[in-house]
Amino acid sequence: ETAVFQTPNYHVTQVGNEVSFNCKQTLGHDTMYWYKQDSKKLLKIMFSYNNKQLIVNETVPRRFSPQSSDKAHLNLRIKSVEPEDSAVYLCASSLRDRGYAEQFFGPGTRLTVL
Amino acid sequence: GEQVEQLPSSLIVQEGASVLINCSYTDSASVYFPWYKQEPGKRLQFIIDIRSNMERKQTQRLTLLFDKKTKHLSLHITATQPGDSAIYFCSATSGGNYKPTFGKGTSLVVHP
Repeated sequence: ETAVFQTPNYHVTQVGNEVSFNCKQTLGHDTMYWYKQDSKKLLKIMFSYNNKQLIVNETVPRRFSPQSSDKAHLNLRIKSVEPEDSAVYLCASSLRDRGYAEQFFGPGTRLTVL
Repeated sequence: GEQVEQLPSSLIVQEGASVLINCSYTDSASVYFPWYKQEPGKRLQFIIDIRSNMERKQTQRLTLLFDKKTKHLSLHITATQPGDSAIYFCSATSGGNYKPTFGKGTSLVVHP
């Protein structure tokens, strides 16, 4: 199956803990993204990687850090989570080699910070 | 940076009706405008796109119009069905930096 996969689906944690989310795409794309979707469904881009190179790095707290091992994987680590980090984190991928193209999204990881 | 505004924020219609969702952006450097829908509990799904060198694109029941001068797009959905119920997002990607900016979404509810 070719798609964008995310793990875990849900994660509940305490303030101050570290969490890590995984994303893998089997679509052969060269660009991957992390978005934060809040409770009002507002989508904000956080990071984007093209061929393992960081190309978009929005103003996000320093406790957020992306990690790319290869074109197919883009993980997100959050050190010392805060209550405002509660949201759904969406991973997406696209094929930039052909110019602008649509993104394919994963199912999301819902983070709840207590 | 780019700002994308969508109106209306919500629509409630009867099955069979046509709907219009408007989108405006601010950055004249934006060149690519994909639209996505998010059904309840499902992942975001691409539905249609248009590039800045085009004025109109149509697929099945969707028609997307683009006005570069006014920086405005409109998505027209005809013969709506309950399965069209979802949140629809407009997006703009600025040329060069490949950074997509999304609107706040339009919630569409189609009653049978």
